[in-house]
Amino acid sequence: SAVISQKPSRDICQRGTSLTIQCQVDSQVTMMFWYRQQPGQSLTLIATANQGSEATYESGFVIDKFPISRPNLTFSTLTVSNMSPEDSSIYLCSVEGSYNEQFFGPGTRLTVL
Amino acid sequence: AQSVTQLGSHVSVSEGALVLLRCNYSSSVPPYLFWYVQYPNQGLQLLLKYTSAATLVKGINGFEAEFKKSETSFHLTKPSAHMSDAAEYFCAVTTFNAGGTSYGKLTFGQGTILTVHP
Repeated sequence: SAVISQKPSRDICQRGTSLTIQCQVDSQVTMMFWYRQQPGQSLTLIATANQGSEATYESGFVIDKFPISRPNLTFSTLTVSNMSPEDSSIYLCSVEGSYNEQFFGPGTRLTVL
Repeated sequence: AQSVTQLGSHVSVSEGALVLLRCNYSSSVPPYLFWYVQYPNQGLQLLLKYTSAATLVKGINGFEAEFKKSETSFHLTKPSAHMSDAAEYFCAVTTFNAGGTSYGKLTFGQGTILTVHP
């Protein structure tokens, strides 16, 4: 299984600001995924990030709010833009394994005041 | 479209008792199914997976799950609960398109919080 790290592990931000979350994988992967887990909720996919192409966003998520970069096969960033308290969540990145399972990073715990 | 329903948002058992966490799925193509565990303030850890091989799947920490196509279920069990099993558990299904090709992404159930009493 892949080893995934995320930075920062947690942050407290002011409304109206932006935060960029980094995801690093210890091996080259084609697809990386970004999920959001709101307090007390399950995981919701934000977007799929393929290296060399634009990210594919799920319904309800837009690029202006959650821009994603995927500069190489081991790294991706997710930016949460113009934050509001409703953006307070855990943000997780993941990569796909050999049988469509996914391996997750430890998550970034974001609180917006 | 695929979907997952976890019956019971909270399950409470005594230490040493049987753990049963229920998951039902909906899928128009043969699914791949997964159980994940999330300990407090941690990410998700894969417990076990069903990928169309044996219907009884054994995972880590003594957990197992049985794929029952006739019941569209994939319930998670453990014969004897331990205090360290207290966590939130998520069932997930791979999302496929109409042609049966995986999108590579997962659809998660709402989660079940397991509490273990001494």
